[in-house]
Amino acid sequence: EIVMTQSPATLSVSPGERATLSCRASQSVSSNLAWYQQKPGQAPRLLIYGASTRATGIPARFSGSGSGTEFTLTISSLQSEDFAVYYCQQYNNWPPGLTFGGGTKVEIK
Amino acid sequence: QLQLQESGPGLVKPSETLSLTCTVSGGSISSSSYYWGWIRQPPGKGLEWIGSIYYSGSTYYNPSLKSRVTISVDTSKNQFSLKLSSVTAADTAVYYCARHGGVRWLQLLYYFDYWGQGTLVTVSS
Repeated sequence: EIVMTQSPATLSVSPGERATLSCRASQSVSSNLAWYQQKPGQAPRLLIYGASTRATGIPARFSGSGSGTEFTLTISSLQSEDFAVYYCQQYNNWPPGLTFGGGTKVEIK
Repeated sequence: QLQLQESGPGLVKPSETLSLTCTVSGGSISSSSYYWGWIRQPPGKGLEWIGSIYYSGSTYYNPSLKSRVTISVDTSKNQFSLKLSSVTAADTAVYYCARHGGVRWLQLLYYFDYWGQGTLVTVSS
């Protein structure tokens, strides 16, 4: 099983500042990585797939980069609606399956 | 607009079988382009993929849950279902159904683009 490790667990950022979230895979997943945003009481929302392609309707302030085992999600200028938990997911190892990281909570500083 | 809706009991007793159904509207579950999956999230914790099914009935399960999971599809009702047997308190979670792609032009598309709202299932006597 490919293990996905996200860091930090919590990131405190002021509105308007830049946030950088990391995701590491225990073995190469090529560019087969997605990022999701989850707000309290809601289902996750797809932000990025293919490591760097924004999903439909996702603002340009969200960007993804990386390949292999190291990935980054950057939010260029945090808006109030961006404070949430972010998860990465690898989909290179199919079958047998799909694995998520443990999440990074982005909170207001 | 594609919509997914989970339904089923919110309370299950230990050792019994958890059963949930996901109803898909605004699109056909028989599309050859997509798979239909279940993901769960224990309270305050992260996401865990449970398994996925293709409209033909082919199934793919998380190895850690495989011995207890059965996913089935009913194309006539545009629904797919989850059964998780021998549940314990550790199976208490919000259960989501979601859609993901397969392979297109050698590109892997196994990420979840549409999700249901989720349903909380509590395992307790």
